[in-house]
Amino acid sequence: EDKVVQSPLSLVVHEGDTVTLNCSYEVTNFRSLLWYKQEKKAPTFLFMLTSSGIEKKSGRLSSILDKKELSSILNITATQTGDSAIYLCAGVTSGTYKYIFGTGTRLKVLA
Amino acid sequence: DAGVIQSPRHEVTEMGQEVTLRCKPISGHDYLFWYRQTMMRGLELLIYFNNNVPIDDSGMPEDRFSAKMPNASFSTLKIQPSEPRDSAVYFCASRESDSPLHFGNGTRLTVT
Repeated sequence: EDKVVQSPLSLVVHEGDTVTLNCSYEVTNFRSLLWYKQEKKAPTFLFMLTSSGIEKKSGRLSSILDKKELSSILNITATQTGDSAIYLCAGVTSGTYKYIFGTGTRLKVLA
Repeated sequence: DAGVIQSPRHEVTEMGQEVTLRCKPISGHDYLFWYRQTMMRGLELLIYFNNNVPIDDSGMPEDRFSAKMPNASFSTLKIQPSEPRDSAVYFCASRESDSPLHFGNGTRLTVT
């Protein structure tokens, strides 16, 4: 059965800290891995990763995929209170384009 | 682009009643997904469609749940009869080919 596991489940840090969120996957016919940020409503897209070892960056956020280890990390540097959210990762299958989500990491950044 | 539109935003109903959730995907998107989110189980895929055809409904909990997509711009998720354990946030999402999923703002369902 396809599954995606995220760790830690929750995390509390102070503003300015750097955090690393982990995602491991077991997805049949793996195609890509995506990261989403969910605040109060809909998850919003952060990154799509298809190739191993290539870092994607957007401001203070960055992510990388390791296909050998079947995992990905999301890094957030110089955290701000606005980074407080649930971070979700999803594995996507080839052909059917089915998204399998992990249960998420709940990040709280204290001022 | 108005994004994925879901209605209603909130639904409170009594056990045994029928509930219908609605979704309008982004124009041009050929995939539509229904998810359910709870604290305990996270985001669970219920069913998804490609070009209006159901591809995988293995996540639909039981026969009380049904989903339709009569055309490219509209989908419904129906629960009949509803039960308290169905209380959750239901998300609709759409995508085009290999692009990322775009989510609606969800419908928060409470069954008392």
